Amino acid sequence: AQSVTQLGSHVSVSEGALVLLRCNYSSSVPPYLFWYVQYPNQGLQLLLKYTTGATLVKGINGFEAEFKKSETSFHLTKPSAHMSDAAEYFCAVKIPAGNLIFGKGTKLSVKP
Amino acid sequence: ETGVTQTPRHLVMGMTNKKSLKCEQHLGHNAMYWYKQSAKKPLELMFVYSLEERVENNSVPSRFSPECPNSSHLFLHLHTLQPEDSALYLCASSQDLGYTNEQFFGPGTRLTVL
Repeated sequence: AQSVTQLGSHVSVSEGALVLLRCNYSSSVPPYLFWYVQYPNQGLQLLLKYTTGATLVKGINGFEAEFKKSETSFHLTKPSAHMSDAAEYFCAVKIPAGNLIFGKGTKLSVKP
Repeated sequence: ETGVTQTPRHLVMGMTNKKSLKCEQHLGHNAMYWYKQSAKKPLELMFVYSLEERVENNSVPSRFSPECPNSSHLFLHLHTLQPEDSALYLCASSQDLGYTNEQFFGPGTRLTVL
């Protein structure tokens, strides 16, 4: 069965600093990987997804993630944090004939 | 309206009440989902519908009863809930159940059971 682990339930960065949110997955078959963002009082919005092909995936709002099969990781990064990036971020994995499995989420705080 | 809408956005109910949550998608999708989001826990998939047929029921207590009258609407009927059922209930839709299909989420209904 597949699973997702997000390291750190809360990450705090300064405005303009690098954002790094960690995600490791477990899957017996090649997975599809997703990052979602949830702003306060809202639903989840897709940031980016990896299906096949290029392992560096670019998403909305300047975020990107790199699929590293050898490390079973799909970490989310953004070179320069903005106050509007404060939200909760969820990594998720999906396999054929499987459901979307979410991690517990990482809450990102951005300090002025 | 665009995307996925949910009503009501907030709901407070007693343990003996009966209420319903409504979800509507305006995306022409064929699959719809109910999730439960509790604090400090991963999102829990509750039900999956494809073309109005229920295809997944993840051991959800019978006090939660889903209904999908057509591919655009999904309901979650609630009765005799427990305080531990208090959570954010999210609806989502996708084009179909395909491997790569992105799920689009509604804003959720914040449920409080007293």
